[in-house]
Amino acid sequence: AQKITQTQPGMFVQEKEAVTLDCTYDTSDPSYGLFWYKQPSSGEMIFLIYQGSYDQQNATEGRYSLNFQKARKSANLVISASQLGDSAMYFCAMRERGGNKLTFGTGTQLKVEL
Amino acid sequence: DSGVTQTPKHLITATGQRVTLRCSPRSGDLSVYWYQQSLDQGLQFLIQYYNGEERAKGNILERFSAQQFPDLHSELNLSSLELGDSALYFCASSVGGRGTQKETQYFGPGTRLLVL
Repeated sequence: AQKITQTQPGMFVQEKEAVTLDCTYDTSDPSYGLFWYKQPSSGEMIFLIYQGSYDQQNATEGRYSLNFQKARKSANLVISASQLGDSAMYFCAMRERGGNKLTFGTGTQLKVEL
Repeated sequence: DSGVTQTPKHLITATGQRVTLRCSPRSGDLSVYWYQQSLDQGLQFLIQYYNGEERAKGNILERFSAQQFPDLHSELNLSSLELGDSALYFCASSVGGRGTQKETQYFGPGTRLLVL
């Protein structure tokens, strides 16, 4: 069964610094997709970035990048130049080929400080 | 704004009651997914509909049911409500439903259900 692990319940980072949120996964399927979502205190789930298991390069979307290490089964989210608005819960999720659902980790609460 | 709409935003009801949550997917999306987010269970997949037909089922209780209508909006019906059903219920949508791993699911703002 697929599983997502986020070991950091909470993180603090200073404004303008970079931060890495950890995510490890477990799957026996060679074809899968990894997603990161942001959930602000208002509650909505915002899609940030996607990484496919066969993608040769790490995904980037603006200030978000994904440090994908396939052999280690990790897909860490890197946020550069943190802003106060980045304070939120961040979820890592996986979808296997042929699967329909997203399986989510428990999330990491990020707090950006002045 | 993801383009997925959900109503109502908040719902307060009593144990034993029945409620209906509504979702309209993004324009052009054929798949609708329902997820439950609670403090003890985290984010869990409930059910998926694709173009009106049930496509996948997750940890959905028998007291819960869903359907997708010809105009592609979906409703999640929760009956015989218990205190433990209090949660944030999300609807998400995606273009297809064939299970390609790349397909992104876009989430609505959620319906916060409180059962008293």
